[in-house]
Amino acid sequence: DAGITQSPRHKVTETGTPVTLRCHQTENHRYMYWYRQDPGHGLRLIHYSYGVKDTDKGEVSDGYSVSRSKTEDFLLTLESATSSQTSVYFCAISVQNTEAFFGQGTRLTVV
Amino acid sequence: DAKTTQPNSMESNEEEPVHLPCNHSTISGTDYIHWYRQLPSQGPEYVIHGLTSNVNNRMASLAIAEDRKSSTLILHRATLRDAAVYYCTHNAGNMLTFGGGTRLMVKP
Repeated sequence: DAGITQSPRHKVTETGTPVTLRCHQTENHRYMYWYRQDPGHGLRLIHYSYGVKDTDKGEVSDGYSVSRSKTEDFLLTLESATSSQTSVYFCAISVQNTEAFFGQGTRLTVV
Repeated sequence: DAKTTQPNSMESNEEEPVHLPCNHSTISGTDYIHWYRQLPSQGPEYVIHGLTSNVNNRMASLAIAEDRKSSTLILHRATLRDAAVYYCTHNAGNMLTFGGGTRLMVKP
């Protein structure tokens, strides 16, 4: 299995609080992605990174920010969590034009 | 953004071949076509990818149309463990986006 770890795996937080999800890889892959998955919506790309400090917005980036200060870590931050951000979040890594490897997901509940 | 179109669901009988279609009309010449699947309560997993030629691996075969605007994932003998949501996608530049996928149901 590709070395990709998401933390935490489960989190419950209150509306209005900041939340940071971490994606850690041991593969030295250049590309990293954050997705959210909700019933009936499949996987939607939030942000992605194509190198250290190189990030860009995906399809549903409002309310989210990311940072990548090291190759191995890609952080997703919800500055002020809302109930609409309750979801399962997946991180993925890849080398360009090859297969992507996904983490096991983080289930986030905002109450 | 990459846009793909897949049927919402398909059914197959166990031990029979399955052909899962995908239309990707916005694909550009350098985009690779990828297929992933997601089993219940798990993250997506890679199945196969290709550029122009048909591809085979231990999991499946990928047939790519000559104009590259469509592809078909072929599972040669469906098993109950193949019941999953199958996603096709292609990388548009640095982005890798997914459509709704096809839910494959396999009947014993």
